[in-house]
Amino acid sequence: QKEVEQDPGPLSVPEGAIVSLNCTYSNSAFQYFMWYRQYSRKGPELLMYTYSSGNKEDGRFTAQVDKSSKYISLFIRDSQPSDSATYLCAMSRSNDYKLSFGAGTTVTVRA
Amino acid sequence: DTGVSQDPRHKITKRGQNVTFRCDPISEHNRLYWYRQTLGQGPEFLTYFQNEAQLEKSRLLSDRFSAERPKGSFSTLEIQRTEQGDSAMYLCASKGHQETQYFGPGTRLLVL
Repeated sequence: QKEVEQDPGPLSVPEGAIVSLNCTYSNSAFQYFMWYRQYSRKGPELLMYTYSSGNKEDGRFTAQVDKSSKYISLFIRDSQPSDSATYLCAMSRSNDYKLSFGAGTTVTVRA
Repeated sequence: DTGVSQDPRHKITKRGQNVTFRCDPISEHNRLYWYRQTLGQGPEFLTYFQNEAQLEKSRLLSDRFSAERPKGSFSTLEIQRTEQGDSAMYLCASKGHQETQYFGPGTRLLVL
C-alpha cells in the first residue's frame, strides 16, 4: 500500500463548477501538506501549503487538512479552462522535509 | 529570485551511455532535493543535500546513480550505464527557511 493515495481520475467538469480533490495518507508523522499543480511536461508548481490540521483559503482555492482522519482536500471554486492540469498532493515531516506525493489527479475544465 | 533551473531540459541517449543533469537552486536555499517522475505517477524522492552534504539516498537510487553538490550551490545527478527503465522526468527542488519546496522544470530522459 502506498504511503499517499490519490484517485488519478480523470476528472472532467464544466467551466464554473467546483472541483473537489482529495488524498489519504498512512504516516501520522506528516505535518506539512501541500498541493502542487503540474501542466503537461512541466515541473510541479506550488499552489497551497498547510501546516497540521485546518483550512486555508487563497482566492478560488481552499485546502483542508484533517489529521485525525489522515485526509486532505483541495477545492477549486469557479473553475476555469486554465485550471486544466494534474493536481498533486504532497506531504512531509519536519525533520527531512522530503516530499511524499500522491499519483496526481488529472482535471479538465470544459469551456 | 530566478527560480530553480535545470539543464538540459531533454536528453535522449542510448542504453549503456552515461548522462549528467544539472540543477541550479534558488539562491541561498540550503536544501536541494532530487525526485524522479514516471508517466502517470507522482514524483518519487531520490536524494537530498543540505548545503554540500548529501544527507539521504533513497533505495531507488542504485549504484549507477550518483549526485553531488560541490560548495553547496548547484547539484549534478549522474546516471552511469543507463537502462531503458531509467527513462523518466528528473526533477530538482530547493528549499530555504520555509517548509515548502520549489521545483525546476525537470529534465526529461529517454533511453533507447
